[in-house]
Amino acid sequence: DTAVSQTPKYLVTQMGNDKSIKCEQNLGHDTMYWYKQDSKKFLKIMFSYNNKELIINETVPNRFSPKSPDKAHLNLHINSLELGDSAVYFCASSQNTGGDYEQYFGPGTRLTVT
Amino acid sequence: SQKIEQNSEALNIQEGKTATLTCNYTNYSPAYLQWYRQDPGRGPVFLLLIRENEKEKRKERLKVTFDTTLKQSLFHITASQPADSATYLCAPGGTSGTYKYIFGTGTRLKVLA
Repeated sequence: DTAVSQTPKYLVTQMGNDKSIKCEQNLGHDTMYWYKQDSKKFLKIMFSYNNKELIINETVPNRFSPKSPDKAHLNLHINSLELGDSAVYFCASSQNTGGDYEQYFGPGTRLTVT
Repeated sequence: SQKIEQNSEALNIQEGKTATLTCNYTNYSPAYLQWYRQDPGRGPVFLLLIRENEKEKRKERLKVTFDTTLKQSLFHITASQPADSATYLCAPGGTSGTYKYIFGTGTRLKVLA
């Protein structure tokens, strides 16, 4: 069974479109994250939710809106896509927000904006 | 601002040798430091966590050190194997509050048979 799953795995779209990426974890974790990994492999946190509550909101354009319908799901909606949004987006989860909890990452969604 | 530095160049070593990867951080006082492995086209996989009051942590062929004075962590893989070839990311974090982890850009390790 996949611990953290994301759909779709690949997403190719044009500038100006709106798209969503879905994430689900079956580990029973309380905390979920969205990360962006750019072409230089820099992995940067975007958002974090704990028990459906937003706890980390980095300096991300407000075109990006996360939504957590329940503890097991964290979706990412992106409006008015731009070329610079092209990257790999990773969802992750951890048991809780404590600093000593490891993170489990999904397989990533490669977003290409043309 | 907080900065995490790892060897940006790839590290090539011969099978059986010990690989040592370096992680330096500045403007930061993390309470924890994690190491992850990332294979091409895959998400990072957790390897080890070390706390600020621990000098060294071991797991099988892996060893991590954490020097809060030098602001540095070293990651060692002993008796390296070609299967250890991957990118290794360090992530200091957990100062307070939100326990956010900041990832380095990783070091690409290649173990030659």
